[in-house]
Amino acid sequence: AQSVTQLDSQVPVFEEAPVELRCNYSSSVSVYLFWYVQYPNQGLQLLLKYLSGSTLVKGINGFEAEFNKSQTSFHLRKPSVHISDTAEYFCAVRYNFNKFYFGSGTKLNVKP
Amino acid sequence: ETGVTQSPTHLIKTRGQQVTLRCSSQSGHNTVSWYQQALGQGPQFIFQYYREEENGRGNFPPRFSGLQFPNYSSELNVNALELDDSALYLCASSLRGGGAFQETQYFGPGTRLLVL
Repeated sequence: AQSVTQLDSQVPVFEEAPVELRCNYSSSVSVYLFWYVQYPNQGLQLLLKYLSGSTLVKGINGFEAEFNKSQTSFHLRKPSVHISDTAEYFCAVRYNFNKFYFGSGTKLNVKP
Repeated sequence: ETGVTQSPTHLIKTRGQQVTLRCSSQSGHNTVSWYQQALGQGPQFIFQYYREEENGRGNFPPRFSGLQFPNYSSELNVNALELDDSALYLCASSLRGGGAFQETQYFGPGTRLLVL
């Protein structure tokens, strides 16, 4: 069965510190990978996506992620976080055109 | 470009009732997917509609059904509501046939359903 695992349910970090949110997936076939952010009481906003090509993907708000096929990982990083980055982040995997799986989410709490 | 919109924003129903949620897809998109996001969890795929037909379904019972209209808008219907149906229901639209770079899902703000 296909699955997406976000290893950390909560990540506290101080403002201007770097952060990494981890995501691993299980698949023996090619996948497309996504990170979404959800602010309180809102829908999901696309941060970045990996469809093909360079394994280092840059997204909005200074976030980037690296696709590692051998480790089946797609970790999200930001070199310096801001208070406004406080939100819940979801990793998602699309296995074919109609199967989209989300992880359980990581709450990023940026402290001043 | 118009984003994905959903209505209503909030809804309260009682157990056993039926509910209809609505979604207007982003301009130019032809595919709509529905997700259920229970409190504290990630979204769970319910089903997808393409060309007015269901095209893929997650692990949800038949009392969850949907429609897609010629203008690509969509409805999610849930019959015989149960307490566990309380959740945020998200709609996402995408463009099938536009190549891999087009088939990214864009989400609406969601409808929060409370079943009492």
